[in-house]
Amino acid sequence: AQSVAQPEDQVNVAEGNPLTVKCTYSVSGNPYLFWYVQYPNRGLQFLLKYITGDNLVKGSYGFEAEFNKSQTSFHLKKPSALVSDSALYFCAVRDTGRRALTFGSGTRLQVQP
Amino acid sequence: DAGVIQSPRHEVTEMGQEVTLRCKPISGHNSLFWYRQTMMRGLELLIYFNNNVPIDDSGMPEDRFSAKMPNASFSTLKIQPSEPRDSAVYFCASSPRQIQETQYFGPGTRLLVL
Repeated sequence: AQSVAQPEDQVNVAEGNPLTVKCTYSVSGNPYLFWYVQYPNRGLQFLLKYITGDNLVKGSYGFEAEFNKSQTSFHLKKPSALVSDSALYFCAVRDTGRRALTFGSGTRLQVQP
Repeated sequence: DAGVIQSPRHEVTEMGQEVTLRCKPISGHNSLFWYRQTMMRGLELLIYFNNNVPIDDSGMPEDRFSAKMPNASFSTLKIQPSEPRDSAVYFCASSPRQIQETQYFGPGTRLLVL
């Protein structure tokens, strides 16, 4: 079975500071890892994914994520947070045997001006 | 290109009524997924189709839920009879054939069962 853990319900950061949203995963095979963002009353928007290759993945809106196989983590990062980054962020995993994604519980990011 | 289209965007109904949610995937995508989002359970997969064939419906809550995909450009999720605990946001997503491809989500249908 595959699973994802997002240990923080909420992350608060000041505008201009770096941000990190944490994610750890468990799969039986090789993981495909994704980050999505959800703004209020909207669907999920794809940010970035890790399939294979470079452990540092760059995505939309200046976000990046680092895949760490030994720690089974895929933390989302951004060097300088914007107030407009405030939203709900979901980490998701899919192993090579399934098409469906398993989502984490979500982390609410609040960027203060 | 139009993204995934869902209708209706909002639905309010009374307990016991039939509810039908609709989804049009992105053209050319051959996998379609139905998810449900609630505060208590988060995002959970209900069912997914590959080439119009249901592959995994283990997430469908009970017999009151059914989903169909009569062709590559249309899918429905039906709840009959509806209950208050079915109140949630229902998302449809689609993806291309390759397993590593991204799933693209529709805007969701917000369902309230009174």
